[in-house]
Formats: sequence, structure tokens, C-alpha cells
Amino acid sequence: SAVISQKPSRDICQRGTSLTIQCQVDSQVTMMFWYRQQPGQSLTLIATANQGSEATYESGFVIDKFPISRPNLTFSTLTVSNMSPEDSSIYLCSVELGTVNTEAFFGQGTRLTVV
Amino acid sequence: GENVEQHPSTLSVQEGDSAVIKCTYSDSASNYFPWYKQELGKRPQLIIDIRSNVGEKKDQRIAVTLNKTAKHFSLHITETQPEDSAVYFCAASKRAALIFGKGTTLSVSS
Repeated sequence: SAVISQKPSRDICQRGTSLTIQCQVDSQVTMMFWYRQQPGQSLTLIATANQGSEATYESGFVIDKFPISRPNLTFSTLTVSNMSPEDSSIYLCSVELGTVNTEAFFGQGTRLTVV
Repeated sequence: GENVEQHPSTLSVQEGDSAVIKCTYSDSASNYFPWYKQELGKRPQLIIDIRSNVGEKKDQRIAVTLNKTAKHFSLHITETQPEDSAVYFCAASKRAALIFGKGTTLSVSS
């Protein structure tokens, strides 16, 4: 299994500001994923973060709004930029160990409230 | 891209009954279908998964069936217990990134 630490666990931010969420994994992984889970809803994939290349964003998510860094095989950050109340959500990072299509492990999530 | 539909959105059963949750997917190239359980305020946890070369998989009270022709898969929980109460998500994947269904809130009353 994987131990994933996300920081911060929660934050309350003013609209127009930015928040950077950190995700640290206890082992090297090829791909890391960022999801958004709005209150009472499902998980929506924001982007796939690959080490050594630009992140791949899903439809409806853009790099200017959600810049992602992946400096090494155990760490990634997601920034939520120029926040509005609609960005209030839980953001989760996820990793898969080994080859593709194996169990995905999730961080504990970052609960973001934008006021 | 992939689209995953999940039904029902809520399911209430009596303790000891069976529960069935169904999902359909759109991309015939998807080949991995996990099910996650999420308790309130916690992260999703894998409970069972199935790959496209298998039609059925069972783990104690939990089973998953897959029909690739019809592009649907189902979660079966037998002898439900109150601790099974949670939100269950199905997902589909072909290249590692998971696309989730909208979730089913299962309530098991004793």
C-alpha cells in the first residue's frame, strides 16, 4: 500500500487568492492524479501529473486555474488560483503503485472553503 | 472520453438483505473497474476490483460482475450489516486515471 500525506487538511481562503496543496507519497510512483470532490458529489479528475512532463488536464480544467508541479517521483502540488466560492470543494491526490490499472490510493483530502 | 453512469443514487436495505449497485460505461477500451467505499469525512477505499478478462470476482460478502458486451458491471453485497452504510463509487479506467460514477448512498438499518 501507499501512505499519502496531503497538506493542508483544510483551509478557508478569501476569494481572488490562491492556495497550493501538497501531496507527498512514501514511495516512488510514475503517475499522480488530482481529483475534486464537491460537497455530496462524486470525484472528478482534474489532471494527471507526470514527473518530467507537463500535467494532462481533463476537459473543463485548465492549467492557468489549476497549475500542477511534479518535481520528483514522490511529490506533487496543485494550486487553485484566483479562487471563487465555486472552488469550495475537497481536493484529493491519488497514486497507483506499480503498473497501470492497479489499486488507487488516496490522500486524506484538502477541504477548501472560499469566502 | 469515458462516461460512467451509476444507479441507484440511494439504496436502503434491512440488515441481512442483499444490495446491488449497477454501473454502465461508454468506452469499450476501458479494462479496469474498481469499486470504492467512502465513509463520511474519509478518503475513498478500494473494496473490490475486476479486470476485463474476468467476468466475476468475489471476496467474502462482496462480489462484482462484468459484462463487457453490454458495458456494465455490478456490485453485489450479501448479508448487509450496518457498517456497510456508506457511499459507494464505481469507476472505469483504461490508462490508469479513474473516471467515477456519481455514487450510491447505501443505508443499512438494523
